[in-house]
Amino acid sequence: SAVISQKPSRDICQRGTSLTIQCQVDSQVTMMFWYRQQPGQSLTLIATANQGSEATYESGFVIDKFPISRPNLTFSTLTVSNMSPEDSSIYLCSVAGQKNTEAFFGQGTRLTVV
Amino acid sequence: AQSVTQPDIHITVSEGASLELRCNYSYGATPYLFWYVQSPGQGLQLLLKYFSGDTLVQGIKGFEAEFKRSQSSFNLRKPSVHWSDAAEYFCAVGQNTGTASKLTFGTGTRLQVTL
Repeated sequence: SAVISQKPSRDICQRGTSLTIQCQVDSQVTMMFWYRQQPGQSLTLIATANQGSEATYESGFVIDKFPISRPNLTFSTLTVSNMSPEDSSIYLCSVAGQKNTEAFFGQGTRLTVV
Repeated sequence: AQSVTQPDIHITVSEGASLELRCNYSYGATPYLFWYVQSPGQGLQLLLKYFSGDTLVQGIKGFEAEFKRSQSSFNLRKPSVHWSDAAEYFCAVGQNTGTASKLTFGTGTRLQVTL
C-alpha cells in the first residue's frame, strides 16, 4: 500500500482567506483524488487530480473555489479559496492502488474556518 | 449513478458480541465494493474489498463481508468485537470500468463498544 502524507494536519483560518493542502505519496501513482468530509457526514469526492492536465471536478465543485495542482506523479495540492465557515471540513487525499482497483487515504486535513 | 446506503447510523454492541453492519448498493453492473474504518482523528483504513469470485471475503482485524447480488448487499461482520473496534465504518462502491479507486461512500455507521 502507498504511504500518503498530508500537510497541514489541521488549521484554523479566517474567513475570506485561502488554504493550500499538500498531498505527498511515497510512490508514483496514476490517479489521485480529493474528498471532503463535512462534520458528521460521509466523504464526498471533490475532484480527480490529473497529472499534466486540469483536474476533473464533480458536480457541485468548481475550479475557482477548489483549484488543484498535480505537477508530478507523487504530489498534489488542493486550495480552498475565499473560505467561509461552511468550508469547515476534513479534506482527504486519496490515491489509486495497483491497477486502480483500490484506494488509499491520507490522514486528512481538519480545517476550521472562523 | 451509483449509490450506497448504510441504514444504521449508530450501533452499540458489547465487547465479545458479534457484529453485522449493513450496506446496500445501487449500481448497474457488478460493482467493486469496499469497507473502510475511520478511527477518531484518523484517516480511512481499508478493511476489505470485493471484485469478483468468492462472495465471502476476509479482511484485516478479523472482519469479513459477504456479497449478495440478489439483495444488492455487502454486509460487514465480525464474530467477536473488541473495544478497539469502536470507530466509524464506511461502505463504498467503485466503478468496474477501470476507475474502481474513484469511490462513492455511504453515510457511515458509528460503532460503539460497551465493556
